[in-house]
Amino acid sequence: GNSVTQMEGPVTLSEEAFLTINCTYTATGYPSLFWYVQYPGEGLQLLLKATKADDKGSNKGFEATYRKETTSFHLEKGSVQVSDSAVYFCALGVTGNEKLTFGTGTRLTIIP
Amino acid sequence: SQTIHQWPATLVQPVGSPLSLECTVEGTSNPNLYWYRQAAGRGLQLLFYSVGIGQISSEVPQNLSASRPQDRQFILSSKKLLLSDSGFYLCAWSRLNTEAFFGQGTRLTVV
Repeated sequence: GNSVTQMEGPVTLSEEAFLTINCTYTATGYPSLFWYVQYPGEGLQLLLKATKADDKGSNKGFEATYRKETTSFHLEKGSVQVSDSAVYFCALGVTGNEKLTFGTGTRLTIIP
Repeated sequence: SQTIHQWPATLVQPVGSPLSLECTVEGTSNPNLYWYRQAAGRGLQLLFYSVGIGQISSEVPQNLSASRPQDRQFILSSKKLLLSDSGFYLCAWSRLNTEAFFGQGTRLTVV
């Protein structure tokens, strides 16, 4: 079956630090990969996505590269801000399967 | 553009009372629709999904049920709430197995 494993949290960083949140997956077929962000009290928002191997998704300074050889989709940002504090979810979707598979989420806190 | 509406935003209900949460999608047709629950500090649990009117798949046995009376309407219900039903409920839609788009969520507290 399909599964997503992401870095356990919580993660606490100082402002302007470099961020990496690890995500690895197992999937049948050729998945699309996603990162979602959830700010306090809100629903999930799509942050970025990649639909095939070696694609790089990027948005708001965040990046993630679809690595088929390591089955990974790690989220990175060069310089985090306090406003990046949120919960981040890695997810995958496979054509023919109606359901997205989510990781357990990683809570990120950025301190000034 | 597509939008998803979910209401109410917050709800406090006594144990044993009924529940009805509603979700509607605009700007698309025949979406896949989903209900998730998120317990405090935890990940997402898929409760129900639907690929068409009247078609409901349940992921976990529970005190809740779902219905899809119209193409873009998805309702989560319970006849009698339990304390353990408290949580943050999220509705979502997707098309063609691409990314899902989420509503703003309903914070349900059963007292």
